[in-house]
Amino acid sequence: DIQMTQSPSSLSASVGDRVTITCRASQSISTYLNWYQQKPGKAPNVLIYAASSLQSGVPSRFSGSGSGTDFTLTISSLQPEDFATYYCQQSYSAPATFGGGTKVEIK
Amino acid sequence: EVQLVESGGGLVQPGGSLRLSCVASGFTFSSYWMHWVRQAPGKGLVWVSRINSDGTSTSNADSVKGRVTISRDNAKNTLYLQMNSLRPEDTAVYYCARAIAVAGVAHFDYWGQGTLVTVSS
Repeated sequence: DIQMTQSPSSLSASVGDRVTITCRASQSISTYLNWYQQKPGKAPNVLIYAASSLQSGVPSRFSGSGSGTDFTLTISSLQPEDFATYYCQQSYSAPATFGGGTKVEIK
Repeated sequence: EVQLVESGGGLVQPGGSLRLSCVASGFTFSSYWMHWVRQAPGKGLVWVSRINSDGTSTSNADSVKGRVTISRDNAKNTLYLQMNSLRPEDTAVYYCARAIAVAGVAHFDYWGQGTLVTVSS
């Protein structure tokens, strides 16, 4: 199975900050990488698919980049509603695997 | 509006069984692959099982292989997960999720609200 490693596992940031979360795959996955946001008690929601494509309805402050083994999710200006946990997920090969998550907290 | 509504979770003793259901609406259910993903309390997301659109192909995670069966009834727009020989480590919120492929890359674009399975004596 492909292992997905996210860093950091948590971070504290202020409204308006630029936030970057990284995800590393244990082998090359091209751009078969998706990002999800999950708020407490809720189901995940897809933000970015295929490494850099913004899901319809997702604010443009979210962006994704990377290919191969290294990927980033960037929030250009953190908003109050963005405090949540973020997960990367690879769909290059079965089984689909997720990173351990990055919890974004209020500073 | 796409909706996925899970049910069937609850408290079960170790070694017991449960059948989870996920009723879909707002889209052509029979056209999509469907998955189950679980999340243990305070932990991350783990893929469990998937089924293709017509139900002829399934796959399960190693952690549940031989103990779970995924199935679907396209006439009823319903996805199922039959879980047997349950263990305490199966305790989790179970989500059903719709998979879609865009430019060849699959992702989960809609999720249900989840149903909690608790395995405890």
